[in-house]
Amino acid sequence: GENVEQHPSTLSVQEGDSAVIKCTYSDSASNYFPWYKQELGKRPQLIIDIRSNVGEKKDQRIAVTLNKTAKHFSLHITETQPEDSAVYFCAASNAFSGGYNKLIFGAGTRLAVHP
Amino acid sequence: DADVTQTPRNRITKTGKRIMLECSQTKGHDRMYWYRQDPGLGLRLIYYSFDVKDINKGEISDGYSVSRQAQAKFSLSLESAIPNQTALYFCATSDNRDRGSEQYFGPGTRLTVT
Repeated sequence: GENVEQHPSTLSVQEGDSAVIKCTYSDSASNYFPWYKQELGKRPQLIIDIRSNVGEKKDQRIAVTLNKTAKHFSLHITETQPEDSAVYFCAASNAFSGGYNKLIFGAGTRLAVHP
Repeated sequence: DADVTQTPRNRITKTGKRIMLECSQTKGHDRMYWYRQDPGLGLRLIYYSFDVKDINKGEISDGYSVSRQAQAKFSLSLESAIPNQTALYFCATSDNRDRGSEQYFGPGTRLTVT
């Protein structure tokens, strides 16, 4: 079955620096790749997603890149702020597989942004 | 997101007890999911449902069962709880776009099995 590996498990940066989180997936049929942010004690919330027909997507300070050949995708956060501190999860799915949108999540990255 | 609610929010139960976690949504979504979250393991899919008549096992369905009582309600049951089912449980919903869409999570239920 599909497997998603996420690295690093923890990441500590200084405010204003950039942060990069990387994920690899195993199922070459995967075509939808969302990223979720979970603040302490809160529910996961979608921050950005990318589909397999696009190589890069940007939304203000966050961007996601996708390399289908290598089967990996990355989250980039620029000009980090303390409020970016959270756990970030990548996920992958084959959204055409019966339309279930069944997501397989990575194990998560705990990002700490220090003032 | 108040559109997806879960009850109870916290529950402590003993080994061997039956317990039900409930999820309700007012988003009008067809698809509903149950996940468990454990430290260092991310979110793992337990069961998912396309509509009231459609129930599917996820990655880790053993020891769990579900019921989709209506489009808006999806319950998760532990027939005989065991300590390694101690975890944070999330319900989620999504609409029926075939090309993948955002999943909206409930606030979570923290379950402790002693």
